[in-house]
Amino acid sequence: DQQVKQNSPSLSVQEGRISILNCDYTNSMFDYFLWYKKYPAEGPTFLISISSIKDKNEDGRFTVFLNKSAKHLSLHIVPSQPGDSAVYFCAASAPRAGSYQLTFGKGTKLSVIP
Amino acid sequence: EAQVTQNPRYLITVTGKKLTVTCSQNMNHEYMSWYRQDPGLGLRQIYYSMNVEVTDKGDVPEGYKVSRKEKRNFPLILESPSPNQTSLYFCASSLAGVQPQHFGDGTRLSIL
Repeated sequence: DQQVKQNSPSLSVQEGRISILNCDYTNSMFDYFLWYKKYPAEGPTFLISISSIKDKNEDGRFTVFLNKSAKHLSLHIVPSQPGDSAVYFCAASAPRAGSYQLTFGKGTKLSVIP
Repeated sequence: EAQVTQNPRYLITVTGKKLTVTCSQNMNHEYMSWYRQDPGLGLRQIYYSMNVEVTDKGDVPEGYKVSRKEKRNFPLILESPSPNQTSLYFCASSLAGVQPQHFGDGTRLSIL
């Protein structure tokens, strides 16, 4: 049962335009959401996060939106740059046994075309 | 420099030969975890540790063992590796479980 879904395996965007990456989740216990970026031959790096008590968080060119009623979040990158080309993972955190467990989506490969 | 270091980065071995992948972090983080990444499956958590001597199973713990004797180290042990454990493995750490995790650069294991 896939609790965090990224339904688009890949996305191509022109440089300077907006990139929108989507993520859906099924577990209503998730209370914290994160986006990670991964380049080939490197580990994922943290990009931006949002708590379930918020509906928007912004950091420079990156904005994450959370729609709790729809169990949907999205990452907006504007303007997109060639260096943004990477695989983006959506992750969600839920309390578990006194700690937290992080569940990742399968990732979306973003290609920004110069 | 804050980092999570995994060793080895690459390993080709044979079925049944015990192996250990080491993970060390220099950020005094309490929470550490192991993930495996497989094509089409994303990142799946194997084990995690909230602190020294406290570990728990993630989503895919079968065939793996871990230990947390020191805060900085969290080795992943494959007692009897099998081909279905061929994968890319990542170790990660964070100050607390809910905080963003810092990942190592990965260990690519091939079990023949």
